[in-house]
Amino acid sequence: QKEVEQNSGPLSVPEGAIASLNCTYSDRGSQSFFWYRQYSGKSPELIMSIYSNGDKEDGRFTAQLNKASQYVSLLIRDSQPSDSATYLCAVNQAGTALIFGKGTTLSVSS
Amino acid sequence: DAGVIQSPRHEVTEMGQEVTLRCKPISGHNSLFWYRQTMMRGLELLIYFNNNVPIDDSGMPEDRFSAKMPNASFSTLKIQPSEPRDSAVYFCASSFQAAYEQYFGPGTRLTVT
Repeated sequence: QKEVEQNSGPLSVPEGAIASLNCTYSDRGSQSFFWYRQYSGKSPELIMSIYSNGDKEDGRFTAQLNKASQYVSLLIRDSQPSDSATYLCAVNQAGTALIFGKGTTLSVSS
Repeated sequence: DAGVIQSPRHEVTEMGQEVTLRCKPISGHNSLFWYRQTMMRGLELLIYFNNNVPIDDSGMPEDRFSAKMPNASFSTLKIQPSEPRDSAVYFCASSFQAAYEQYFGPGTRLTVT
């Protein structure tokens, strides 16, 4: 059974702080890794994808991948109240559909 | 780009009735996915298609659920007969290929009374 694990939270951070969201996965053959953001009552929205070990930065977001340790993380710098949402980690192998974690709820207080 | 289109956005029906959810994927995408999301179980993959062919339907809860993709631009998810425990948000998503990033539609909120 392939699994993707996330701490459900809530993760609470003050405005301007760094939010760190973590995800572990069970399948060593996984090749593609994605972070989705889901606001309450809305659909998941893709915010980051990462395919190789290391860091990938996009604005205030940084995705980090460590295949040896089987984890992927998302850092949000200068967190804003508008970042308050549930963040879903998704993982897959070539040719298969994504497996989603249950998500971590982030709350940014002003 | 119009994105993934789903209809209806909300559906309220009585137990035992047939429910049909519809999805139009992003043009050019070859893979289509149906998900169900509840607070208890999170986002569950029900079935996905590659090039209109069902590839994995192991997530379909039981025979009351069926899905079709008659062409590259249209898919349906049908529940017959519906039960209160089917109440959830149903998402359709599409991607260029199954292993690539997926783009979600707005979802259909189904309530079965």
